[in-house]
Amino acid sequence: DSGVTQTPKHLITATGQRVTLRCSPRSGDLSVYWYQQSLDQGLQFLIQYYNGEERAKGNILERFSAQQFPDLHSELNLSSLELGDSALYFCASSVGGRSEQFFGPGTRLTVL
Amino acid sequence: KNEVEQSPQNLTAQEGEFITINCSYSVGISALHWLQQHPGGGIVSLFMLSSGKKKHGRLIATINIQEKHSSLHITASHPRDSAVYICAVRIGGADGLTFGKGTHLIIQP
Repeated sequence: DSGVTQTPKHLITATGQRVTLRCSPRSGDLSVYWYQQSLDQGLQFLIQYYNGEERAKGNILERFSAQQFPDLHSELNLSSLELGDSALYFCASSVGGRSEQFFGPGTRLTVL
Repeated sequence: KNEVEQSPQNLTAQEGEFITINCSYSVGISALHWLQQHPGGGIVSLFMLSSGKKKHGRLIATINIQEKHSSLHITASHPRDSAVYICAVRIGGADGLTFGKGTHLIIQP
């Protein structure tokens, strides 16, 4: 158990809908990362937050957004969902930006 | 061309064998991570390296910064080592990771 929690574990929804994925980092970790793992693209970095502020953006679509709250939990919002958004979404956390990252169990999103 | 290349893509070995998985990268990095992903999907961080060698139990990871190459070794392999092993790098000043495609390892009893 990495200490990073993600909810929900599974999510099934329809095209065009909007969903919110939630992540709670390990106690003491200030940095949260969101990653997407799909069959065709593999693992990709989406976005990073550090102590409530956006720190870095990767291959995140404009339909996707994230935030980190004062209690350091983070949410990833996915809107206007398409079939191709079906993937495993992982959250990871670290103490700082350059530290070892610890991954949550992931949320499996299925868009029908 | 992918910035992170792993070899082999697939590896099947017998229990007890010494396993080596390779990772090459084409850009300047600040750190390299080895991750393990089991069939259930969860990802476990095995090592973070910026130089030299690290050992944890039966796992050894090495990195050669000049040659832009890292290896993950498993000694006395066991069926429970069966998983996908993923190499990931932190490029330059970035904090987010760039991933290889993974090596699918099966250890047969």
